[in-house]
Amino acid sequence: QQQVKQSPQSLIVQKGGIPIINCAYENTAFDYFPWYQQFPGKGPALLIAIRPDVSEKKEGRFTISFNKSAKQFSLHIMDSQPGDSATYFCAARKAGGTSYGKLTFGQGTILTVHP
Amino acid sequence: GAGVSQSPSNKVTEKGKDVELRCDPISGHTALYWYRQSLGQGLEFLIYFQGNSAPDKSGLPSDRFSAERTGGSVSTLTIQRTQQEDSAVYLCASSLYRTGKLQYFGPGTRLTVL
Repeated sequence: QQQVKQSPQSLIVQKGGIPIINCAYENTAFDYFPWYQQFPGKGPALLIAIRPDVSEKKEGRFTISFNKSAKQFSLHIMDSQPGDSATYFCAARKAGGTSYGKLTFGQGTILTVHP
Repeated sequence: GAGVSQSPSNKVTEKGKDVELRCDPISGHTALYWYRQSLGQGLEFLIYFQGNSAPDKSGLPSDRFSAERTGGSVSTLTIQRTQQEDSAVYLCASSLYRTGKLQYFGPGTRLTVL
C-alpha cells in the first residue's frame, strides 16, 4: 500500500521556471514531511521539511506549501537552474511507536531544467 | 568521517550467493536506517536501529534479510541466498535524533544479482 503518492513522475522546465511537485498522503498520523534531492550515483540529501501546523516554509529558492485538510503538500523551486536537475522525493514520518523515525517516501520526480 | 559511508559501492553476485553490505554512520549518530531503492522507484524502508537494537524490522522483505549493528556504530545488512529481485541500491541513513529528523544518507551500494 503506497501511503505517499507523488506526481508528476517527470518534469521538464526552462531555466527560470517554477517547477511544482505534488504529494498526497493518506495517514493522518504523519507529522513530519521532508523533501529530498538526489543526484545520479548519490544518496538523497535533505532539502527542506515542514510540520503539519505550518502552511508554508521557505528556504532559499525552495518552498513547501502544506494543505492539512486536503492531506497534500508540494515543493516549488523558484528561478530554477540547470543545476537543480535531479530526482526529488517527498517523504512522511509517522509519530510515535517503534516506527518512530521511519520515513515513507513518494515514488520520486525526475526534474530536468533546460538552460 | 564527514558523512555516512557505505561499502562496497557496487556488488555483483550470482543468484544464491550471500552478500554483506556495510554502513558507517556519522560519528555520534545513534539512529541508523536501511532503505532499498529499486530502479525508478522510491525508497523502501527496511530496518531501523536505535543504538544496537532494532525496534523496527518491519520492512525486511523476507527471512533471507538480516541486519546487525555493533558498538552503536557500524551496521551490516546481510542478504542470504540472493535472488534477482534483490537487485537494487541499498541506502543507509543516520540521524542524531531518534525522531527521524535530519536523516543523512550514504551514497548507497548498488547490488546486482545475476
